[in-house]
Amino acid sequence: GAGVSQSPSNKVTEKGKDVELRCDPISGHTALYWYRQSLGQGLEFLIYFQGNSAPDKSGLPSDRFSAERTGGSVSTLTIQRTQQEDSAVYLCASSLHQGSTEAFFGQGTRLTVV
Amino acid sequence: GEDVEQSLFLSVREGDSSVINCTYTDSSSTYLYWYKQEPGAGLQLLTYIFSNMDMKQDQRLTVLLNKKDKHLSLRIADTQTGDSAIYFCALTPLGGATNKLIFGTGTLLAVQP
Repeated sequence: GAGVSQSPSNKVTEKGKDVELRCDPISGHTALYWYRQSLGQGLEFLIYFQGNSAPDKSGLPSDRFSAERTGGSVSTLTIQRTQQEDSAVYLCASSLHQGSTEAFFGQGTRLTVV
Repeated sequence: GEDVEQSLFLSVREGDSSVINCTYTDSSSTYLYWYKQEPGAGLQLLTYIFSNMDMKQDQRLTVLLNKKDKHLSLRIADTQTGDSAIYFCALTPLGGATNKLIFGTGTLLAVQP
């Protein structure tokens, strides 16, 4: 596609429910990143995928968070048993490969946990 | 861990120059970036500088890097109302993927007509 696409753009969920956020990277980009932007924590790295290598999960805040990338393209970020502190904008970015200087960001998914 | 700080707010008049500052604690960063975020939008890469450079100019944008003081700045010449946005500096820690970034706290730039 022309850019990084994320869906849904907005998601409201009840505390304790699971949510899935989707990211479609730019076609041909092998590196994919998830970030979270929240009032309390600013912009923070969550996880990144490079090709078929094991993902770098070092930024995931708890074991309620997981992500997968199927077929080296689309990625899904899953948050289980959502808490109010999970409310944030979740941003996805992709780059041609992990050494590329430029990453392209999607518009984000605004998650609100009520 | 790395700590990246920015001032929260900057207000300038249209046509003036804006200077947005960023300080960091880890001197081993390889790339240093400036991103722009407009309301309701994702992040847009403005420019970046490699750690062995002191300055980079790109049209109205000038990036200065002072490695000794661990200080990065972004100067926007002839600031326009369309430059109003939040500006983030970001760093690539040594040894990490280039876009596994540590972001600053963000500076809201308000341009007065």
